[in-house]
Amino acid sequence: RKEVEQDPGPFNVPEGATVAFNCTYSNSASQSFFWYRQDCRKEPKLLMSVYSSGNEDGRFTAQLNRASQYISLLIRDSKLSDSATYLCVVKRSSASKIIFGSGTRLSIRP
Amino acid sequence: EAGVVQSPRYKIIEKKQPVAFWCNPISGHNTLYWYRQNLGQGPELLIRYENEEAVDDSQLPKDRFSAERLKGVDSTLKIQPAELGDSAVYLCASSLEAIGGLGQETQYFGPGTRLLVL
Repeated sequence: RKEVEQDPGPFNVPEGATVAFNCTYSNSASQSFFWYRQDCRKEPKLLMSVYSSGNEDGRFTAQLNRASQYISLLIRDSKLSDSATYLCVVKRSSASKIIFGSGTRLSIRP
Repeated sequence: EAGVVQSPRYKIIEKKQPVAFWCNPISGHNTLYWYRQNLGQGPELLIRYENEEAVDDSQLPKDRFSAERLKGVDSTLKIQPAELGDSAVYLCASSLEAIGGLGQETQYFGPGTRLLVL
């Protein structure tokens, strides 16, 4: 079993829809969590960090559930430009393992 | 501000040949990462440097891969000899990590080097 798992998708949703996907992690010592976005043939870029209390940035909301060991990303009012692969990242501590999930592909259709 | 610079952007070599990748991180960033990303997968960490010190190289295949960051700035990653399975995108990233911090700092990625081993 992979330490960080994501549903690979693809999620194909219409513009304006709300879409959510999860990322599960197996190591309870994990401390820091992030969502990165990667466009086709481009490098990953930070979308948002995930804080214990949950956090929101415009149309994007990230949640952390330590008890069930997953993080989630919710995108409201999706735009065509949201089409990308969303990578979950888990770090155990500042001096320890950094693990990327395999990514969830999202495709927004007009 | 200049981002992470990597070269070459593309490289095609025959198996058993050596290859080297170069990375110049964002100025002032103390932490540098090398990742390998296969198609349809997330980046896999190969090695992480804090200044000149390799603090995590547990995923680096040491029989054929080597890396260095001699002056704590730019870095090279070498494969010798390359195998067919090494075909991938090699990504370099950097961040400014606080000593003893929680590691919440953003990693900035370079555009990557696409390696094809024939």
